[in-house]
Amino acid sequence: GAVVSQHPSRVICKSGTSVKIECRSLDFQATTMFWYRQFPKQSLMLMATSNEGSKATYEQGVEKDKFLINHASLTLSTLTVTSAHPEDSSFYICSARVGTSGITDTQYFGPGTRLTVL
Amino acid sequence: GESVGLHLPTLSVQEGDNSIINCAYSNSASDYFIWYKQESGKGPQFIIDIRSNMDKRQGQRVTVLLNKTVKHLSLQIAATQPGDSAVYFCAERRGYSTLTFGKGTMLLVSP
Repeated sequence: GAVVSQHPSRVICKSGTSVKIECRSLDFQATTMFWYRQFPKQSLMLMATSNEGSKATYEQGVEKDKFLINHASLTLSTLTVTSAHPEDSSFYICSARVGTSGITDTQYFGPGTRLTVL
Repeated sequence: GESVGLHLPTLSVQEGDNSIINCAYSNSASDYFIWYKQESGKGPQFIIDIRSNMDKRQGQRVTVLLNKTVKHLSLQIAATQPGDSAVYFCAERRGYSTLTFGKGTMLLVSP
């Protein structure tokens, strides 16, 4: 299957600072990438859909000014958590869609980034 | 959208048994379904997918069954191994829309 990487895998930061998480598709080009967050023992919650070369589409309730998404190339999307607070501590996972046919395009996930805000 | 909960349903099996994990999906218009496996501290790993024009698909040791009449999806794992222990999520999608994830089921395999 397609490989998606994330960096860093873990990050600890102080409250008020900003953190950038990178998501890369290693062996394919991804026109669409997704960012999820996941709390312990819960399912994945979609934060935003990122399309290469255009603005991200945010889900309801997700602050676009707080979670900045940039998808500057077909293999890289970044999520920046600005002015992070302890409640932003979570497991952030990116995903990339493979294919352009629509119905059977598969989504592959990165390994996730554990963010802890002190 | 998906519903979330603080307590994952858990399925406990013995090594070598067959496991069946069930999922009730919400959108009758969904036409594509995926099962993911998520180990602790890792991202979801693709297991198997199925289109709505099929009712069964088999992979290596896994089988997915789709019953559109009752909006039910199941994942069968043959000869379950300790390495199969993880949380399993079903996901549904309509066309080119975004995936909607189920709550997840934790599978615990005892040696």
